[in-house]
This record gives sequence, structure tokens and C-alpha cells, in this order.
Amino acid sequence: GENVEQHPSTLSVQEGDSAVIKCTYSDSASNYFPWYKQELGKRPQLIIDIRSNVGEKKDQRIAVTLNKTAKHFSLHITETQPEDSAVYFCAAPPYSGAGSYQLTFGKGTKLSVIP
Amino acid sequence: EAQVTQNPRYLITVTGKKLTVTCSQNMNHEYMSWYRQDPGLGLRQIYYSMNVEVTDKGDVPEGYKVSRKEKRNFPLILESPSPNQTSLYFCASRKRENYGYTFGSGTRLTVV
Repeated sequence: GENVEQHPSTLSVQEGDSAVIKCTYSDSASNYFPWYKQELGKRPQLIIDIRSNVGEKKDQRIAVTLNKTAKHFSLHITETQPEDSAVYFCAAPPYSGAGSYQLTFGKGTKLSVIP
Repeated sequence: EAQVTQNPRYLITVTGKKLTVTCSQNMNHEYMSWYRQDPGLGLRQIYYSMNVEVTDKGDVPEGYKVSRKEKRNFPLILESPSPNQTSLYFCASRKRENYGYTFGSGTRLTVV
């Protein structure tokens, strides 16, 4: 099955600085890479995703980059704000070839933005 | 409002007493899945379903059962709960052609 490694496990940044979280995956056939944000006591929510036919995707202050050769993808948050403080999860699906896709999640990164 | 609804939100039970956590979605999604979340371990998939009457094991299926008799419902059954099943459980659903999961609000289960 798919193995997803996420680093770092915790990250503290000053408000206004950038934050980068990186994930590696094992299944070279994986073709979809989402990022979820989970605020304290709440459900995970999809914030951005990327498919394997593009190398980068941006949505305002967040962006995701994908390097299929190296099998890693990263979340970039610029101009961080206190409301960005949360746990972030990356995920990747193992491609079964049978049309049935799961999602394997990384263990999460706790981001703290210090005012 | 499009949503995934789980019940109950909180549950404390005793070892061995069968319980069911319900999950329902109103978005006509084909795929549904159950995850458990434990500190330091992230989200681990228990079972998933690709459509009615089609289910398969995820990474941590031991001690759990599921059923998918209707498209909107995907209950999680613990026939004989044990303390190591104390966890935060999330149900999630998505369309077949869209990989982005929508999660329910979670069920915090404590087995004593």
C-alpha cells in the first residue's frame, strides 16, 4: 500500500513569515495529492489539492508543489496569520488500477503562528 | 446544506457492549470511508465503500464492521468494543470522480 511521510511534525513561525510542509509518498502511480487543515476540535477540511499532470497550484496565500520524479509534494503558506494555526495533513491515494481509490494520510504537522 | 452527519458526537461505553456509530451524507456521493484519529498517528482508514453493497478493508479494520445498504448511509459497528478502540472517529464521503473527501464532525468514543 501507499506510505506517506510528512515533515516536520511541529512548526512554529512568526506572523507574516512563510511556512513549508513537505510530504513524500511511495506509490509512483499516485495521481492526486490533497492537503487538509484541521483546527482544534474540528473536522479536517480540504484546503488545496493537486493532480499529477501539474507541478504547482496556488490559491491566494497557499500553494502546493509536486515533484513526481522525487515523489514529494509540499504545502507553502505565505504571509502567515494566527488563524493559520492548525494541524495540516497531506494525503495520497495508492492506485489500485481497479478504480477503487483510498487515501493514506501523513501523520500531520502542527503549525503555530506566533503573533 | 451539503454535509456528512455522524451520530453520536460523544460516546462512553463499556468493554464488550456492541455499539453503532451512524454516518449519513446528502450529497449523493459514491465513496464513503471511516477513519480513526489518534495522537501522533494521524488519520488511519478503517473501512471504505465504493458504492452500495461494495466495501473493503482499510489499514486498521480489526474489531470493526461496516455495511452499505443504502447510498447515503455507512454505519460503523463495533461488535465487542475494547479500550484500544478509544479514539476520535471520522466518517467521510466523496464523488467517484472527485478525490476530495468531505468529513463529518467526528465521534469521540471512550471504551472503559
